[in-house]
Amino acid sequence: GAGVSQSPRYKVAKRGQDVALRCDPISGHVSLFWYQQALGQGPEFLTYFQNEAQLDKSGLPSDRFFAERPEGSVSTLKIQRTQQEDSAVYLCASSFQGFPNEKLFFGSGTQLSVL
Amino acid sequence: GQQLNQSPQSMFIQEGEDVSMNCTSSSIFNTWLWYKQEPGEGPVLLIALYKAGELTSNGRLTAQFGITRKDSFLNISASIPSDVGIYFCAGREGGSEKLVFGKGTKLTVNP
Repeated sequence: GAGVSQSPRYKVAKRGQDVALRCDPISGHVSLFWYQQALGQGPEFLTYFQNEAQLDKSGLPSDRFFAERPEGSVSTLKIQRTQQEDSAVYLCASSFQGFPNEKLFFGSGTQLSVL
Repeated sequence: GQQLNQSPQSMFIQEGEDVSMNCTSSSIFNTWLWYKQEPGEGPVLLIALYKAGELTSNGRLTAQFGITRKDSFLNISASIPSDVGIYFCAGREGGSEKLVFGKGTKLTVNP
């Protein structure tokens, strides 16, 4: 596709449910990032992939958060046993090579509401 | 998590006015970026800065990478209604792939 695609756009979950958020990066982009954006805040880094390798997961808030990119393209962010504090917009971004000067392209995000 | 200090938090201006916002960090960054985010969308890159002291323009937007490498500013000249949105600064430390974002400056332009 022309841009980074994320689905679903909106997700409502009951506390304790598991959720899976999908990201389709721009075709050919090697690097993929997940960010979490709470209401009224800037995005915060969660994790980073280069192809299928998860090179940095230092931003994942707890072991309930898990991300994968098994074939080096589509990525899934899974949140187990969701809590109210998980409510946020989850943004996916990709870049061609991931070098320091490469530009990052963001998707529109998945807005997660945990009730 | 770590965030940058971005100010002001919000601005209400008249169409045609110039706007200035800035970002400071306690860390040295190798890259400074400015993004704009509109409701329901992801951030869109406006300007990227890679060298201390660098001054870069993109149309009516001008941004500078501070000499100390701990700050950056963004100016918008002759604002128009479509400039409305939230502007984020972001920085990248040397050797790191991840971006650290400010909390944003919400810009409102009155026609």
